[in-house]
Amino acid sequence: RKEVEQDPGPFNVPEGATVAFNCTYSNSASQSFFWYRQDCRKEPKLLMSVYSSGNEDGRFTAQLNRASQYISLLIRDSKLSDSATYLCVVRDNFNKFYFGSGTKLNVKP
Amino acid sequence: GAVVSQHPSWVICKSGTSVKIECRSLDFQATTMFWYRQFPKQSLMLMATSNEGSKATYEQGVEKDKFLINHASLTLSTLTVTSAHPEDSSFYICSAASGDYEQYFGPGTRLTVT
Repeated sequence: RKEVEQDPGPFNVPEGATVAFNCTYSNSASQSFFWYRQDCRKEPKLLMSVYSSGNEDGRFTAQLNRASQYISLLIRDSKLSDSATYLCVVRDNFNKFYFGSGTKLNVKP
Repeated sequence: GAVVSQHPSWVICKSGTSVKIECRSLDFQATTMFWYRQFPKQSLMLMATSNEGSKATYEQGVEKDKFLINHASLTLSTLTVTSAHPEDSSFYICSAASGDYEQYFGPGTRLTVT
């Protein structure tokens, strides 16, 4: 079983749509949680950290459910520029990071 | 966010030669640096984790004698691909982290071995 699992997608949505990604992790002792985005042939870039109380940054909202061991990312009012692969990343209690395989998002005009 | 640089951004080398890739954290001290490899349309694969001043910890299946990692200072780590072969052609990405915080990625190095 993988440490971090994501639906690979692709999610094809029209501009302006709201889209949500989920990610599950297997280690209940995981400490920190992040969402990164990766554009084609580029390095991953940190989108946002995920806090226990949930957090929002503009059109992006991240939630953490420790009991069910999943993390979510909600994107409202999708833009063409949101098209990318979104990576769920979990850090365990030994400071080791685990990456999901990514969820591909295509926002279409 | 923090800035991490990598050099070179791309390199083409002949089979059997060695290639060194540098990773630098430009505006923070990185206690830990990570080296990843990514093949086309696949996810990042962690190769090794290095802490400043100590030996790198390699992931299972990664040959430490082939992929030499040096983390001599809090701002610089190097990855040397020794005796490169065409199957080593890939996108190599480093990242740096300070303490318990997020990882910041370098722009990657695209290696092509002919």
